[in-house]
Amino acid sequence: AQSVTQLDSHVSVSEGTPVLLRCNYSSSYSPSLFWYVQHPNKGLQLLLKYTSAATLVKGINGFEAEFKKSETSFHLTKPSAHMSDAAEYFCVVGLMEYGNKLVFGAGTILRVKS
Amino acid sequence: DTGVSQNPRHKITKRGQNVTFRCDPISEHNRLYWYRQTLGQGPEFLTYFQNEAQLEKSRLLSDRFSAERPKGSFSTLEIQRTEQGDSAMYLCASSLAGTNTEAFFGQGTRLTVV
Repeated sequence: AQSVTQLDSHVSVSEGTPVLLRCNYSSSYSPSLFWYVQHPNKGLQLLLKYTSAATLVKGINGFEAEFKKSETSFHLTKPSAHMSDAAEYFCVVGLMEYGNKLVFGAGTILRVKS
Repeated sequence: DTGVSQNPRHKITKRGQNVTFRCDPISEHNRLYWYRQTLGQGPEFLTYFQNEAQLEKSRLLSDRFSAERPKGSFSTLEIQRTEQGDSAMYLCASSLAGTNTEAFFGQGTRLTVV
C-alpha cells in the first residue's frame, strides 16, 4: 500500500536560516511525489513534483526536493526561510494507476521566527 | 477567477440534517476529486470522476454520502443525516486526465455539525 510519513509535525526556524521538512514514502510502484503548501484560509498549492525525470526537483518560491530511492525519502528544503513561508506543508504520493488520486502525509507546520 | 470554486465556504448544520456542497472545476479539466480534511490531518481521498463517470469511491464514503457530476462539469457532494463526525473541511480538486498531471484545489467547504 502507498503511504507517506512526515517525520515532523512542527518545524520552527529563524528567518534567513535553512528549512528542512522531512518525508518518507512507501510505494509499490515508481512513485509520483509532490509537495503542497496550505496557507491559512487558502487552497492547497503545488510547490513541486517528482515524476522520474530528475532526482533534484526545483519548485516555486526557492523550494526544492531530492528524491532518494534508496532511502525512500523526498525531503523539502529551502536555503533561506522567509516570513511568508510560514504555512502547513504536505508531502504527497500520486497513484497513477488509480486515476492520479493523491495520498497525503499528515502535514508539517512551519513556523518562521523573525 | 478561473480556478476551482467551492460553495458554500462555510456551513453550519444541525445533526441529522442533509447538506449539499458544490464544486466548479477548471473548465477544461475532465477529472474531479473530492477529499476530506479533519483537524491536524492531511486530506483523505473520498471519490473521483472522469467526465461524468464516478470511477472510485473510498471506504470512507459511507452510504450517507453521495456525489454526482451530471454533465461532466460541476459536481455536488451530499451528506444525508449528518453526524458530528462529519465535521471537516471538504476539498475539491480538478485536473486533466493523464499521468502526473497537477491537481488544482479549491479553498474548500468547512462543515460544522452541531
